[in-house]
Amino acid sequence: DIQMTQSPSSLSASVGDRVTITCRASQGISNYLAWFQQKPGKAPKSLIYAASSLQSGVPSKFSGSGSGTDFTLTISSLQPEDFATYYCQQYNSYAWTFGQGTKVEIK
Amino acid sequence: QVQLVQSGAEVKKPGASVKVSCKASGYTFTGYYMHWVRQAPGQGLEWMGRINPNSGGTNYAQKFQGRVTMTRDTSISTAYMELSRLRSDDTAVYYCASLATVTIYWGQGTLVTVSS
Repeated sequence: DIQMTQSPSSLSASVGDRVTITCRASQGISNYLAWFQQKPGKAPKSLIYAASSLQSGVPSKFSGSGSGTDFTLTISSLQPEDFATYYCQQYNSYAWTFGQGTKVEIK
Repeated sequence: QVQLVQSGAEVKKPGASVKVSCKASGYTFTGYYMHWVRQAPGQGLEWMGRINPNSGGTNYAQKFQGRVTMTRDTSISTAYMELSRLRSDDTAVYYCASLATVTIYWGQGTLVTVSS
């Protein structure tokens, strides 16, 4: 299986901060990488697909980049509604695998 | 718009089986694999397997081989995941998800609680 290593596992930030989360794949996955947001008790919400394409309806403060093994998710200006857990997911292999998650908390 | 609507929460005893359904709408059900992913309380996400709704062909994670069965009913655009010989550590929220065109769509999740 392809292992996805996400960092950091948690971070504290203030409203207005720029936040970056990284995800590394154990082998090349081209751009078959998605990012999603999850709030407590809720289903995952897709943010980014194909590493850098913004899901319809998702605000442009979210952006993704990377290809191959190294990827990043950036939130340009953190707002109260953005405090949540973020996951990366590879779908290059039919056996999807996920990063362990990054919990973004209020400083 | 694409929607995946799952069946409601279940409470089961150890050793029993559970069958969760996932009704798809807004896209061609037979055109895209349906995956099942679970999330134990406070934990990350774990892929369980997938089904090709067109052919019925399946791929299961090795961890669940022999205990999980994925099926579908194309007449009602619904996929099913059945997990047998339940244990307490199978307590989790179970999600269906589909990579339809370029986007991954998720069901709302079904909480399965295994308790004596």
